[in-house]
Order: sequence, then structure tokens, then C-alpha cells
Amino acid sequence: QVQLQESGPGLVKPSETLSLTCTVSGGSISYYYWSWIRQPPGKGLEWIGYIYYSGSTNYNPSLKSRVTISVDTSKNQISLKLSSVTAADTAVYYCARERRSRDYDYGMDVWGQGTTVIVSS
Amino acid sequence: DIQMTQSPSTLSASVGDRVTITCRASQSVSSWLAWYQQKPGKAPKLLIYKASTLESGVPSRFSGSGSGTEFTLTISSLQPDDFATYYCQRYGTFGQGTKVEIK
Repeated sequence: QVQLQESGPGLVKPSETLSLTCTVSGGSISYYYWSWIRQPPGKGLEWIGYIYYSGSTNYNPSLKSRVTISVDTSKNQISLKLSSVTAADTAVYYCARERRSRDYDYGMDVWGQGTTVIVSS
Repeated sequence: DIQMTQSPSTLSASVGDRVTITCRASQSVSSWLAWYQQKPGKAPKLLIYKASTLESGVPSRFSGSGSGTEFTLTISSLQPDDFATYYCQRYGTFGQGTKVEIK
């Protein structure tokens, strides 16, 4: 059974770079898309971007200039970097596995438990 | 960009009620729509994909329908475990969520 675990600093200073890692266990990263999604306190879900195991990416246009998602298949890990953070980036950050291709989209079927990141000095 | 609009934002219902949530897309998404359930402090859970296909392990009281720009999630008989927030999603866009509360 595939499990995802997000990890990283829970507190980031304004203007710095938020860095998180999602470790995939119980299965392979290969042949799936992997997304990052965030949820500010009391608000809805916001998709940040995805990466295919081969390394191709797609980002939310509203965050594109600040986001980098990468994959390390040898470690079964996906990473998120979000630069120049502000208080508005305070949120629970989730990673999720997407069952999709160019021809179909079967949803995000496996999610991590989420990790809270607070942006504050 | 495609926008997804859910209605209502909040829904008050009782155990045993039939509940329907609507999701409208700003342009056609064919049948590529998913529904998720989220409980406080927990990650979302996939309920339905491809508009009407029930994810494995999801109770049959949940159903989805629609295509193009209008979709519905129906809970045929609301159970205590179903009080939660529900989101529709198409690729990189989520609806704003519908909170199902106890009446």
C-alpha cells in the first residue's frame, strides 16, 4: 500500500524559501504524476503544481514564478521549493499521487497527511 | 483557466437525508471531474472520479453524475460519518468546497 509522508521545516521566515519533501513508500514513483496542494487555515484547497516521474512539470500560473518541483527517483522523493514566501503562504501542504495521463484523469487517490508551514519572523 | 464553482457553500442536513452538491465548470471538462471528502485535520479522500466512477472502498450511498459543465455529487442517505467538506476538482482546479453540517 503506497504511503506518502511530507517533511520539512514548520516555520519559515518571510522572503525566504520554503522547502518540503514528500517520501513515497510501499510503491514506486514511476509512471505516476505527483502533485503538491496547499490549504491555508480555514480555507479551501489550492493546487500548486505537479511533476511526472520523468521530470516534466506543470505549475499553477499564480505561483509559477516562485515554485520549483523536482523528483529523485533513486530516493522515491518529490520536493517542493517556494521562494520569497509571505504570510499568505502559511498553509498545510499536501503531496498526492495523481492517476492521469494526456488522455485520462482518474483523480488524486493517495495523499500524505500534510505538513503545516507557518511563515513568520 | 477553468473555474470550478460549487453550490451551496454550506448545507445543513439530518441523518438519513438525501443530499446533492453541484459543481459547475466555466467551460466543458468532458467527464474529467473528481469529488473529494475532507474532514477537519485530515487529508482529502477521493470519492469519485471520471464524474461517476466510485473509488474502491467508497460506500455506494455516494454517487456522481454529469458531464460537460455541470456535475452533481449525491449522498443517498446521509450518515454521521458523512458530515465533512466536499470538493470537486478538474486537473489543477478545485471548487471552493461545500461544508455539510448537522441540522
